[in-house]
Amino acid sequence: RKEVEQDPGPFNVPEGATVAFNCTYSNSASQSFFWYRQDCRKEPKLLMSVYSSGNEDGRFTAQLNRASQYISLLIRDSKLSDSATYLCVVNPATGGGNKLTFGTGTQLKVEL
Amino acid sequence: DVKVTQSSRYLVKRTGEKVFLECVQDMDHENMFWYRQDPGLGLRLIYFSYDVKMKEKGDIPEGYSVSREKKERFSLILESASTNQTSMYLCASSFWTALAKNIQYFGAGTRLSVL
Repeated sequence: RKEVEQDPGPFNVPEGATVAFNCTYSNSASQSFFWYRQDCRKEPKLLMSVYSSGNEDGRFTAQLNRASQYISLLIRDSKLSDSATYLCVVNPATGGGNKLTFGTGTQLKVEL
Repeated sequence: DVKVTQSSRYLVKRTGEKVFLECVQDMDHENMFWYRQDPGLGLRLIYFSYDVKMKEKGDIPEGYSVSREKKERFSLILESASTNQTSMYLCASSFWTALAKNIQYFGAGTRLSVL
C-alpha cells in the first residue's frame, strides 16, 4: 500500500462548481498534513496546512479524519485559475522527522 | 519570502557525463532536499540533509550523490549520467517550528535530459 494515495483524476468541472478531493495515508503516527498545488511545469507550492479541527482559507476547506486516516480538500466556486494538480502531503514522523511524503497528485481542470 | 534557487532550468547532457545540479536557499533553513518527479510516479526523495556536511539517503539514492559544504547550498551530483535519469529535479528547503511543521519550499526545478 502506498504511504499516501490520491485519485489521479483528472477532475473536469465547470466554472463555479464545487469539487472535493480525498487522500488516504497509511501511517497512523503521521503528525502534520498539507495540500500543495502544482501548476503545469512549475514547482509545488503550499496551498494550506490541514489542522485536526479542519480549516478554511477563502474558497478552500481542508479536513482531517485521523480515525479513518484521510484528508480532504474542498474547493467552492471553482475558477479557471484553480486548474492545477493538487498534492496531498504527510509528515510520516518516522525515521527522519523532517521528511514529507507526497501523493502523486489529483489533476483538476476547470472549464468554461 | 523564501527563495530557493536552482542553477539551471534546462540541461541537456550525454550519457556518462558527470552532472552537477546546484541549489541555494536564502532563509537559513536547516533542511534541504532533492527530489525527482516523473509522470505517474510523483515526487521521489533522492537525498536530504539536516545540516552542513550531513546527508541522508532518501528513497532512490542509487546513481546520485550530494554535497552540503555550506548551509545555504545543496548540490546533487550524477556521477555518470544515464538515460533513465532524464527527469525533472526539484530542490526544497525547510525548517521546523511548531507552527510551520516542516513546510517545504521548492525551487523552480531543473529539467534534465540525458541523451
